[in-house]
Amino acid sequence: AQSVTQLDSQVPVFEEAPVELRCNYSSSVSVYLFWYVQYPNQGLQLLLKYLSGSTLVESINGFEAEFNKSQTSFHLRKPSVLISDTAEYFCAVSERGSQGNLIFGKGTKLSVKP
Amino acid sequence: DAGVIQSPRHEVTEMGQEVTLRCKPISGHNSLFWYRQTMMRGLELLIYFNNNVPIDDSGMPEDRFSAKMPNASFSTLKIQPSEPRDSAVYFCASSPRASGGALGETQYFGPGTRLLVL
Repeated sequence: AQSVTQLDSQVPVFEEAPVELRCNYSSSVSVYLFWYVQYPNQGLQLLLKYLSGSTLVESINGFEAEFNKSQTSFHLRKPSVLISDTAEYFCAVSERGSQGNLIFGKGTKLSVKP
Repeated sequence: DAGVIQSPRHEVTEMGQEVTLRCKPISGHNSLFWYRQTMMRGLELLIYFNNNVPIDDSGMPEDRFSAKMPNASFSTLKIQPSEPRDSAVYFCASSPRASGGALGETQYFGPGTRLLVL
């Protein structure tokens, strides 16, 4: 069965510092991978996703994630964070061609301090 | 488009009362999902519908929970009777195609209903 592990529950960083949020998954078949972001008191919204092709995917606000099949990882990175990036970030996986749905990790709370 | 609409946004009720949460998916979307979010358990899928038909309700905690989707533009999640451990944020989400996660569809989440059962 598929599963997602986000190793860090909380990540505090200073503004303009780089950040990496880690995500590992397990699955016996090919997968799609997602990062969702949840701002305070809001629902989740898609940040970026990997379906196929280039293993490096980018969001419009400067985040990027790289699919690493050998390490079964999909870590999220940003070279210079903003105060407005403060949010909870969820990694999720779904299996190609199955009727199964998204499996979410427990989330990582990113706190950006001035 | 207004996005996924959920009501009420906040609900406070007493143990034993019936609670009904409502969701209007994005027009034209064919899959609808109900999730529950708590600090302890994170985000859990309760049930999802494809083309108004329940496909997988294995995440529904127990018989006190029920969900319906009478048409493509409306769904309800009912808890009867409610208990304090049901306190959580309940999210509804929709996606364009009736494929679950099989095609890598993006799910669009509503703002959630924050439920407190006293």
